[in-house]
Amino acid sequence: AQRVTQPEKLLSVFKGAPVELKCNYSYSGSPELFWYVQYSRQRLQLLLRHISRESIKGFTADLNKGETSFHLKKPFAQEEDSAMYYCALKEGSQGNLIFGKGTKLSVKP
Amino acid sequence: ETGVTQTPRHLVMGMTNKKSLKCEQHLGHNAMYWYKQSAKKPLELMFVYNFKEQTENNSVPSRFSPECPNSSHLFLHLHTLQPEDSALYLCASSQELDRPFSGNTIYFGEGSWLTVV
Repeated sequence: AQRVTQPEKLLSVFKGAPVELKCNYSYSGSPELFWYVQYSRQRLQLLLRHISRESIKGFTADLNKGETSFHLKKPFAQEEDSAMYYCALKEGSQGNLIFGKGTKLSVKP
Repeated sequence: ETGVTQTPRHLVMGMTNKKSLKCEQHLGHNAMYWYKQSAKKPLELMFVYNFKEQTENNSVPSRFSPECPNSSHLFLHLHTLQPEDSALYLCASSQELDRPFSGNTIYFGEGSWLTVV
């Protein structure tokens, strides 16, 4: 079975501190992974995808196949980064998204 | 309005009621999706439509009945629901059917909060 695990329900850091939101996956094929973000009172939206190898709003995520991880990192957190973050895996021939339970990031001033 | 719009935003219904959730996308996309987000579970895919044809039913009970009259509209008809069906129902769309490594982006609506009493 394919699974996405986000071990932290809540992560609280101070502004300017580094942040890492953990995501581990279990998938027998070649994984395609994403991070989605939901800011307060806004809709769920794509933050970044591993195939693009991009940095969005200062966030990066590297796929580590050996550790089956796709952790989201930012060196200096900002208050506006406070949101729910969901890791997602695209699986199967249909490409259906499987989401983790999400981690709530709270960045304090 | 642009993007993916869902109505109603909040719905309270009894177990014997029949109601519908509506989704409309103004993005010219061809694929539409229904997801369910329960309090203690991850976001779960329910149905997938591509060019109005259903391509995926993720073992969803028959008390949930989707309808896609055209590529811009998607409905979720609800009847004889249970309290455990209370959840946030998210509609989404994408330009094409989402496939692995397609570069396709899924756009979500704000969701419809459903409470079954």
